[in-house]
Amino acid sequence: GAGVSQSPRYKVAKRGQDVALRCDPISGHVSLFWYQQALGQGPEFLTYFQNEAQLDKSGLPSDRFFAERPEGSVSTLKIQRTQQEDSAVYLCASSFEAGQTTYNEQFFGPGTRLTVL
Amino acid sequence: SQKIEQNSEALNIQEGKTATLTCNYTNYSPAYLQWYRQDPGRGPVFLLLIRENEKEKRKERLKVTFDTTLKQSLFHITASQPADSATYLCALLSYNTDKLIFGTGTRLQVFP
Repeated sequence: GAGVSQSPRYKVAKRGQDVALRCDPISGHVSLFWYQQALGQGPEFLTYFQNEAQLDKSGLPSDRFFAERPEGSVSTLKIQRTQQEDSAVYLCASSFEAGQTTYNEQFFGPGTRLTVL
Repeated sequence: SQKIEQNSEALNIQEGKTATLTCNYTNYSPAYLQWYRQDPGRGPVFLLLIRENEKEKRKERLKVTFDTTLKQSLFHITASQPADSATYLCALLSYNTDKLIFGTGTRLQVFP
């Protein structure tokens, strides 16, 4: 497949559990973004990677959220001690060029719908 | 405060008509604005990008305008089809923020 893939597509967690969400970007894409999308809202920026370097994590809502991209390809978003307010769709996007401010088209994955009970 | 506003109410139009969606922003200095389409259960799909110094951009049945004085972008779909039914998101990249900021989206329903 040539697109961005995410797994799992759906995740149900009990409050307090840790979860890990995976993103496989398009091969060769330098930039990788994570977004959080609440129901009826637009995506909200969480964090940005250029290759393996996390250059911007200003959108992460708390220190319970952690993201990594150790080899510059696959990325994992981890949420520790999940809370009900973490329930949302988590979207991953990648783009070919480096930089958040270049004129880049972002390619989005289908998202992971996280429900915290 | 900074915000991007799109009509939260769904837009219902008849097949063959032109759909016009609005994106208004306040307190941003935009470098460019993008429009995305999002279908239920899927991620957004990029449609068009318009830069701050461009007034209009076209792609097939799509047209985007950008008025930095009015702080508004309009997105038009001509000869609309039921397959155009989806949520349309505008997203702005601002010199202030260095990240893509999305509006809430407008749901378009085209009926036969």
